[in-house]
Amino acid sequence: NAGVTQTPKFRVLKTGQSMTLLCAQDMNHEYMYWYRQDPGMGLRLIHYSVGEGTTAKGEVPDGYNVSRLKKQNFLLGLESAAPSQTSVYFCATDQVFGQRDTEAFFGQGTRLTVV
Amino acid sequence: AQSVTQLGSHVSVSEGALVLLRCNYSSSVPPYLFWYVQYPNQGLQLLLKYTSAATLVKGINGFEAEFKKSETSFHLTKPSAHMSDAAEYFCAVTHDYNNNDMRFGAGTRLTVKP
Repeated sequence: NAGVTQTPKFRVLKTGQSMTLLCAQDMNHEYMYWYRQDPGMGLRLIHYSVGEGTTAKGEVPDGYNVSRLKKQNFLLGLESAAPSQTSVYFCATDQVFGQRDTEAFFGQGTRLTVV
Repeated sequence: AQSVTQLGSHVSVSEGALVLLRCNYSSSVPPYLFWYVQYPNQGLQLLLKYTSAATLVKGINGFEAEFKKSETSFHLTKPSAHMSDAAEYFCAVTHDYNNNDMRFGAGTRLTVKP
């Protein structure tokens, strides 16, 4: 039982390159989230999904796109990477609304550097 | 929109000493409050949460936090620090039960000296 798995764990991109970060969960959770973590700023929500086929913008969505084609996977895309997107990215999931469980489970993070 | 402020980006204590990490929140509606811990090179792990039940919340690893509405605070405490408590701690607030409007504090790095 892997929980929440992020791929890759590290990546260095050149400015203007594109990449996709994958988040996979095996907990059958409906809700999935992408955060970025920057020094002194905590975690900020980029995009989230409340179910397969649905996505919504979070606090800092610009420069990112997401897709949730399958319930267990949530992809975060950078179409044209910029140095300002250098950060640690975390995926999180939690249970279906109504089960009254608000604990979010986090992946181990992806450290992205854009040069 | 709700927000949290963590007072002190770094806190250092001696092993066996009291741990106190401060968090103040701002919310126009009753909040749900959380403390998460992040060990090096790992994701966040829930320590405890307040969801409008008991104001004194006990979590894992001997940590607890008290919700004080009059002070808009949710400080995290542990009576006796252990070396293994060294980590970064994040306070978070939401009024939405499903985390999609959760706001995190900037974090407090706890160092435990032998």
